[in-house]
Amino acid sequence: QQPVQSPQAVILREGEDAVINCSSSKALYSVHWYRQKHGEAPVFLMILLKGGEQKGHDKISASFNEKKQQSSLYLTASQLSYSGTYFCGTEMPPGKLIFGQGTTLQVKP
Amino acid sequence: NAGVTQTPKFQVLKTGQSMTLQCAQDMNHNSMYWYRQDPGMGLRLIYYSASEGTTDKGEVPNGYNVSRLNKREFSLRLESAAPSQTSVYFCASSTTAGRVDEQFFGPGTRLTVL
Repeated sequence: QQPVQSPQAVILREGEDAVINCSSSKALYSVHWYRQKHGEAPVFLMILLKGGEQKGHDKISASFNEKKQQSSLYLTASQLSYSGTYFCGTEMPPGKLIFGQGTTLQVKP
Repeated sequence: NAGVTQTPKFQVLKTGQSMTLQCAQDMNHNSMYWYRQDPGMGLRLIYYSASEGTTDKGEVPNGYNVSRLNKREFSLRLESAAPSQTSVYFCASSTTAGRVDEQFFGPGTRLTVL
């Protein structure tokens, strides 16, 4: 079952912050975050595992609430390069990753 | 290292034709995946191979077949193409067997079915 992302779209000015949310109705093994720029392949940002372990880029932060099956991606002091579509993916069962519909982020000067 | 490579990059088919999309990775990864991406629809999992020798259905497997030829290669076959299969197809790989680690994506194949 596909996770639900919110909001669907965000427009920011450089330097502003944004939060993208991802929720699932299933118990999850992990949550993954990817960014995709127009015409390109998705690029890995972060994995959040049950138990609190995280793996990802230093400049990206995210949280995973295991009880609520929710994750949030925090984009602080946004830059023009942050523009793109952000996808969360939920792993359930192990080995199977299902992506949400995406959140489009546009950062303006 | 080339990473994940996909061939062809572009393809136009007529309804009813068949074709195979090729994917190869040179990172010694255990898991491989096929996704399709339609405009505004996000990435949808077609099939995946959690380890060499295994394949499993994803969200949208109908109309497709896969073969994990060896550890490096994972192909996707359309037996009788339909206009609804017009999409961008991405192959991805991940190092861990049976679990999803960081996925590395190929550049995609843009398929149009007329």
